[in-house]
Amino acid sequence: KQEVTQIPAALSVPEGENLVLNCSFTDSAIYNLQWFRQDPGKGLTSLLLIQSSQREQTSGRLNASLDKSSGRSTLYIAASQPGDSATYLCAVSANAGKSTFGDGTTLTVKP
Amino acid sequence: EPEVTQTPSHQVTQMGQEVILRCVPISNHLYFYWYRQILGQKVEFLVSFYNNEISEKSEIFDDQFSVERPDGSNFTLKIRSTKLEDSAMYFCASSGDFYEQYFGPGTRLTVT
Repeated sequence: KQEVTQIPAALSVPEGENLVLNCSFTDSAIYNLQWFRQDPGKGLTSLLLIQSSQREQTSGRLNASLDKSSGRSTLYIAASQPGDSATYLCAVSANAGKSTFGDGTTLTVKP
Repeated sequence: EPEVTQTPSHQVTQMGQEVILRCVPISNHLYFYWYRQILGQKVEFLVSFYNNEISEKSEIFDDQFSVERPDGSNFTLKIRSTKLEDSAMYFCASSGDFYEQYFGPGTRLTVT
């Protein structure tokens, strides 16, 4: 059974800092890994999708890496802003079916 | 930009009542999903749907749940006899190329 863990559970940083969020998964037989952002009481916004054959993906200030063999992914956020404050979720999928989610990292960026 | 929509945004129902949660997936997507998130807990998979049938379901998705695609645009989740523990945020998602999942804003279900 796939299990996804995200560390840290919460993170507070001053504006402008670069930061790294971590995601680990127990079963390396994944099809893809997706990072989401969730604002309080809201839906999930897809940030980045990494296929199992890829090592990283970039979108603006965000960069996600994937090391499938070790069961790890990181989300790097450059030059953090208060608007980045949210919960970041990692989800892995073995096929076109279900995604398994981690508990998330709640990020607070202080002005 | 295309998006997944869900109605209603909030549904309050009494225990034992039936509820139907509605979703309009992104129009050219072929895979549809329902997830739920109990307050303070992880997002949990319920069911995936492809080619007019369930492709995968979790142990949560028991006989009280059903899904349907009644027409070319809507995708519904029915809970037949709601329980207090069904109170949660229910998310619909759809995916196309590379199975990237796009989520709707959710329906908050409160069972009293």
